[in-house]
Amino acid sequence: SQQGEEDPQALSIQEGENATMNCSYKTSINNLQWYRQNSGRGLVHLILIRSNEREKHSGRLRVTLDTSKKSSSLLITASRAADTASYFCATAGGTASKLTFGTGTRLQVTL
Amino acid sequence: NAGVTQTPKFRVLKTGQSMTLLCAQDMNHEYMYWYRQDPGMGLRLIHYSVGEGTTAKGEVPDGYNVSRLKKQNFLLGLESAAPSQTSVYFCASRPRTGDSQPQHFGDGTRLSIL
Repeated sequence: SQQGEEDPQALSIQEGENATMNCSYKTSINNLQWYRQNSGRGLVHLILIRSNEREKHSGRLRVTLDTSKKSSSLLITASRAADTASYFCATAGGTASKLTFGTGTRLQVTL
Repeated sequence: NAGVTQTPKFRVLKTGQSMTLLCAQDMNHEYMYWYRQDPGMGLRLIHYSVGEGTTAKGEVPDGYNVSRLKKQNFLLGLESAAPSQTSVYFCASRPRTGDSQPQHFGDGTRLSIL
């Protein structure tokens, strides 16, 4: 069964606006990761936040983690058309650093 | 710098046929994973391996077998393909050490079973 649920399922914004997507999960985690998937391609790692961290930044990305609510959010600031993709959260825990993925958010950034 | 390479990229099978998907990584990673991705869903783990000669079941292993004879290769086999196995299959790898290491993904194999 899927560990994470993402919200919204789809998001359409204009270039320059900010995009926020949310992820909820069910069990304890070691870390939470966000990946991007362009159409027809594999997943690319964006950012990782450990369970003892609350916020992390990387360029135009900001990730927050609330372990008490078992939720995370990804904020993309000043979005660009090239940000159009699907975004997935994935929680890591247990053996072999296995990941459990959410259902994803499809982001469309229009000019 | 190839990273993770999956072959083939596309394949159409008839029900009952068998095939093997190949994943090769050139990063000397110990851990390798096979996932499937179905429309509107995230990735689900089929099987994984923590090193040469070892494999383990993931979330949805039924109907699949795997082998890790060489560290750089991870094979996914379908012995008797079923329409329910129509999906996009992704392979990933990561180093054993470092709990903050991400997984590196191939571009997928799109498999249709008629």
